[in-house]
Amino acid sequence: SQQGEEDPQALSIQEGENATMNCSYKTSINNLQWYRQNSGRGLVHLILIRSNEREKHSGRLRVTLDTSKKSSSLLITASRAADTASYFCATVGSSNTGKLIFGQGTTLQVKP
Amino acid sequence: GAGVSQSPSNKVTEKGKDVELRCDPISGHTALYWYRQRLGQGLEFLIYFQGNSAPDKSGLPSDRFSAERTGESVSTLTIQRTQQEDSAVYLCASSPQGAGGETQYFGPGTRLLVL
Repeated sequence: SQQGEEDPQALSIQEGENATMNCSYKTSINNLQWYRQNSGRGLVHLILIRSNEREKHSGRLRVTLDTSKKSSSLLITASRAADTASYFCATVGSSNTGKLIFGQGTTLQVKP
Repeated sequence: GAGVSQSPSNKVTEKGKDVELRCDPISGHTALYWYRQRLGQGLEFLIYFQGNSAPDKSGLPSDRFSAERTGESVSTLTIQRTQQEDSAVYLCASSPQGAGGETQYFGPGTRLLVL
């Protein structure tokens, strides 16, 4: 079953603009991860934020986590056409298996 | 080193036939996961292996689905008597230990189409 919702479902922006995607989840988490998927195939890990962290940066990516609201956001700054992809948040719960529970994803299109 | 590989890349089968999907994880990774992704959806967890054991099979949708792992390496996901609703991309991932704070490394997936 899906953990929660992502919004927007689809986002279209111009190159150079910032893109913000939001993710909500339902249960308590150990950490939250963001993945990127090109062309509906393999996923690439972008960033992991632990439940005791509030913000994390990696290059042009900025992730926030609000555990009181059970929500996270991914900001991509100065977007490029190559950022066009689907972005998924995934949570890891308290079980010790490390299994990921994914949201529905946001499809981002960056127009050159 | 080599990443996670999966075979076949694409599989078309007729309803009622059995299929086997293969995953080769990154060498040395003890944790292996199978996920399913239906068109336009997020990934659904199917099964988790720690070594050759599967302590979490909670995502397998029916008893037509089974999986095994041997040599703490290759894993095979078998779907018996395939149904049209089994059509999806099946993704495999591995991680070093299977602990909660690890990155998972995904293979390219097998796209299954059941006619």
